[in-house]
Amino acid sequence: AQSVTQLGSHVSVSEGALVLLRCNYSSSVPPYLFWYVQYPNQGLQLLLKYTSAATLVKGINGFEAEFKKSETSFHLTKPSAHMSDAAEYFCAVSALTGNQFYFGTGTSLTVIP
Amino acid sequence: EAGVAQSPRYKIIEKRQSVAFWCNPISGHATLYWYQQILGQGPKLLIQFQNNGVVDDSQLPKDRFSAERLKGVDSTLKIQPAKLEDSAVYLCASSSIPGQVTDTQYFGPGTRLTVL
Repeated sequence: AQSVTQLGSHVSVSEGALVLLRCNYSSSVPPYLFWYVQYPNQGLQLLLKYTSAATLVKGINGFEAEFKKSETSFHLTKPSAHMSDAAEYFCAVSALTGNQFYFGTGTSLTVIP
Repeated sequence: EAGVAQSPRYKIIEKRQSVAFWCNPISGHATLYWYQQILGQGPKLLIQFQNNGVVDDSQLPKDRFSAERLKGVDSTLKIQPAKLEDSAVYLCASSSIPGQVTDTQYFGPGTRLTVL
């Protein structure tokens, strides 16, 4: 069975500071991993995905994530936070086989001017 | 390209009433998903269609929830009768490549249901 754990339901950073949102996965088979962003009153938008190619994945809006098998992690980072990054971020996992897609509980990012 | 459309955006009903949500996926997308997002939680997959067939409905509470995608295009999700715990945002998503789990899912804006 697959699942993801997002550490920290709320994260606050200053504008211009490093953004680090944590995601750890549990999977009995090699996983595919995703980060989605949800702005208020909008649907989810894909930021990036890991599909067993390069372990460092670059996404939209300057975000990137690194797949670390030894740590079962897929943390999301951005070198410099912008006010427009304030949103809810979800990590998700699926297995190579089957169709199940599991989301974490989300991390709300606040950017302080 | 038009995105995933959902209606209504908001719905308030009393418990034991019925409600239906509608979703129109991106044109040409074979796979359609319905998710339930309870406040403070991540989305939970309720049902997945590929064209007009059900791929996965293992987490759909079938005693009260039903969904259909008769012509392989738009879809409806129904709750009958509604319970207080059904209050949530119902998200519809679609993807283009059948059976490819890594294919990007495109989400609609959701329908916020409040059950009183």
